[in-house]
Amino acid sequence: ETGVTQSPTHLIKTRGQQVTLRCSSQSGHNTVSWYQQALGQGPQFIFQYYREEENGRGNFPPRFSGLQFPNYSSELNVNALELDDSALYLCASSRLAGGPDNEQFFGPGTRLTVL
Amino acid sequence: SQKIEQNSEALNIQEGKTATLTCNYTNYSPAYLQWYRQDPGRGPVFLLLIRENEKEKRKERLKVTFDTTLKQSLFHITASQPADSATYLCALDKFGSSNTGKLIFGQGTTLQVKP
Repeated sequence: ETGVTQSPTHLIKTRGQQVTLRCSSQSGHNTVSWYQQALGQGPQFIFQYYREEENGRGNFPPRFSGLQFPNYSSELNVNALELDDSALYLCASSRLAGGPDNEQFFGPGTRLTVL
Repeated sequence: SQKIEQNSEALNIQEGKTATLTCNYTNYSPAYLQWYRQDPGRGPVFLLLIRENEKEKRKERLKVTFDTTLKQSLFHITASQPADSATYLCALDKFGSSNTGKLIFGQGTTLQVKP
């Protein structure tokens, strides 16, 4: 077990709704990254937070937003859900912000289905 | 744009044989390359990181090579076991010269080891 937890495990929403996904990192992990993984594809980087500030973003629209809290928890918010947002959403935490020892610890993911 | 490609077809091998998975990349000069294992419905698990100045790296039955001229990494599992059956993902950092945790993944290769 990596110590990274995510909730909920599964979620079903309808198009146009909003969703909040949660991640709890290991103690001492100041960096959290969020990924979207469509079926049969590799994870795609959404954004990263370091010490509660956004620290880089992938090619995702502004309706994908996030927060990181001092207690090593974080959130991914998606507004105006679209059918293509159906995917496994993964968070990954790490103790460092860079360097060869910057190992990423992934959570089990939240499976989001948009109908 | 940066691109990572892995064999999309599943690899089926007999127990005890060596599995070899390929990762190719283009438009990229990464300083680090990583391999992850992902089981169905689970998050990726970090296996190995290799640096650009390392030709080869080993960890137990795993061996990774990194050829920056060919822009290719090979991932070997020797004496394969049915428990090695999973999807294996190759990943590079979005910012090639660093290891920031902002990862670009290949689509993964599914390995099936038959007893």
